[in-house]
Amino acid sequence: EAGVAQSPRYKIIEKRQSVAFWCNPISGHATLYWYQQILGQGPKLLIQFQNNGVVDDSQLPKDRFSAERLKGVDSTLKIQPAKLEDSAVYLCASSLAGGTQYFGPGTRLLVL
Amino acid sequence: KQEVTQIPAALSVPEGENLVLNCSFTDSAIYNLQWFRQDPGKGLTSLLLIQSSQREQTSGRLNASLDKSSGRSTLYIAASQPGDSATYLCAVNQGNTPLVFGKGTRLSVIA
Repeated sequence: EAGVAQSPRYKIIEKRQSVAFWCNPISGHATLYWYQQILGQGPKLLIQFQNNGVVDDSQLPKDRFSAERLKGVDSTLKIQPAKLEDSAVYLCASSLAGGTQYFGPGTRLLVL
Repeated sequence: KQEVTQIPAALSVPEGENLVLNCSFTDSAIYNLQWFRQDPGKGLTSLLLIQSSQREQTSGRLNASLDKSSGRSTLYIAASQPGDSATYLCAVNQGNTPLVFGKGTRLSVIA
């Protein structure tokens, strides 16, 4: 069984530029999460999808972050414009309802 | 609001030693607790998942216990090896909800 796929693995941009990350969850997993992990911290939720609907986006900085999961499978997370403090690892995870969350390798973002 | 704390923040032990990592959480109304391993620059690997009705789970040299009423979990690693060096993260959730993570314990096993 293929795991959660994410791309790109690394991205370096300058502040005020835009960037997009992609996630392909495990086949059949209806629930998809995006987490942000700042160096030295545990991951924190940005947004949770159930199929193509948003369940929880209370911690998403909506003035600059957006995410979508149009067909209930793949998801994209966008930052526009990026700030220095957005430098972090962005982790995507998927699960069956209430089950173990499986994480992708993450995208490491550096904003200069 | 659920908060998860992990102690110690960092730990260095000689190879072969048994060790315990601690995790505590403020809201005991959890659905499950997971222990993850994270290698530098990598994603998260799930090690053990304990349902709220369970007291412990074992996988090889790893044993995780859960005392839900006191809001505590421990991860026991037997006969540690240099390959065990990584950051260990504890996380809880309440059903089909996001995981709430601790900051992790950075473990170094010295050969």
